[in-house]
Amino acid sequence: ETGVTQTPRHLVMGMTNKKSLKCEQHLGHNAMYWYKQSAKKPLELMFVYSLEERVENNSVPSRFSPECPNSSHLFLHLHTLQPEDSALYLCASSQDLGTGGNQPQHFGDGTRLSIL
Amino acid sequence: KQEVTQIPAALSVPEGENLVLNCSFTDSAIYNLQWFRQDPGKGLTSLLLIQSSQREQTSGRLNASLDKSSGRSTLYIAASQPGDSATYLCAVRLMPSNTGKLIFGQGTTLQVKP
Repeated sequence: ETGVTQTPRHLVMGMTNKKSLKCEQHLGHNAMYWYKQSAKKPLELMFVYSLEERVENNSVPSRFSPECPNSSHLFLHLHTLQPEDSALYLCASSQDLGTGGNQPQHFGDGTRLSIL
Repeated sequence: KQEVTQIPAALSVPEGENLVLNCSFTDSAIYNLQWFRQDPGKGLTSLLLIQSSQREQTSGRLNASLDKSSGRSTLYIAASQPGDSATYLCAVRLMPSNTGKLIFGQGTTLQVKP
């Protein structure tokens, strides 16, 4: 039980498809994150949201479009992806971004994305 | 640019051994360092978080140390068990920390044989 739920767990899509990844956290946290985990590369931060506002875009291509409608939900909309975008996409949340506390980030189990 | 390196990339030990996983980072201006565990096909589970002002943290059979000046952290696992088999990741939170950004190492994959 992680408190952070991601759906779907697996997704196979063609390069011209449009799909969305969903993340939901039940921890009452204010900050949410998208990470990409590719084979043989370190985990890479993609986006950070705090109180539904995007505070970090780590040079991510525009074919990835995040959306945070409220502090419990985070989406990653996918459009015209490339084969190199195949990876495990992980969502995380933390209490907040402030320096007043050292809150750990809590991760979901990820969506395994394969681009044909 | 902050870089995080974990050595070794893989480790296989017999059950019952004590072991040490290493993590090094190039820029000592960190806010904290976190150790995670990742099981195959799963997300990350936070194990220990060490603030920059701390030297170590302990949880059960796990002990993590931090030497900020030398850019190193170690994760010590006592009396290893087959259930400890997983990939262990360390990550540093950068200063300033207002984005919560973590920089990860590539991980050490541990196998504990019965």
